[in-house]
Amino acid sequence: SQQGEEDPQALSIQEGENATMNCSYKTSINNLQWYRQNSGRGLVHLILIRSNEREKHSGRLRVTLDTSKKSSSLLITASRAADTASYFCATVGSGGSNYKLTFGKGTLLTVNP
Amino acid sequence: NAGVTQTPKFQVLKTGQSMTLQCAQDMNHNSMYWYRQDPGMGLRLIYYSASEGTTDKGEVPNGYNVSRLNKREFSLRLESAAPSQTSVYFCASSVLAGGLNTGELFFGEGSRLTVL
Repeated sequence: SQQGEEDPQALSIQEGENATMNCSYKTSINNLQWYRQNSGRGLVHLILIRSNEREKHSGRLRVTLDTSKKSSSLLITASRAADTASYFCATVGSGGSNYKLTFGKGTLLTVNP
Repeated sequence: NAGVTQTPKFQVLKTGQSMTLQCAQDMNHNSMYWYRQDPGMGLRLIYYSASEGTTDKGEVPNGYNVSRLNKREFSLRLESAAPSQTSVYFCASSVLAGGLNTGELFFGEGSRLTVL
């Protein structure tokens, strides 16, 4: 079963606006990762946040993690048409099979020029 | 660096036929994975190999077999294809440090399989 669930399923914004996607998960994690997938391509890693971190930045990306609420958010600032893609969160569990990632169903982001 | 290479990129099979999807990585990664991606279902793990010589079932292993041929190569075999196996298949690899996946997965470009 999916561990992470992204919200919303689809998001459409104008170029220059900020885009926020959320991810909720069910069990304790070691880390949470965000990936991007352009249409017809493989997934590309964007950013990783560990369970003891609350916020992380990478360029125009900002990720937050709230372990008490079992949720994370990905903020893309000053979006561009080239940011149009599907975005997935993935979690690594803190026990048991802790070496495999479990992916959510993704958020489809459309940035209109 | 080629990264993760999957072959073939496209394949059409008839029900009952068999085929093998090949995957190779040139990053000296310990762990390799096969996922399938279906509309509305996200990515689901089929099988994984935490290290050379080991393989384990993921979330949806039925109808598939895998072989970790060496550290570089991890193949996925469909013995008797079914229409329900129509999907996009992704191979991925990662570094495994201390039994914990703390890093990113590197994905191939996908293999698009249609079973008629």
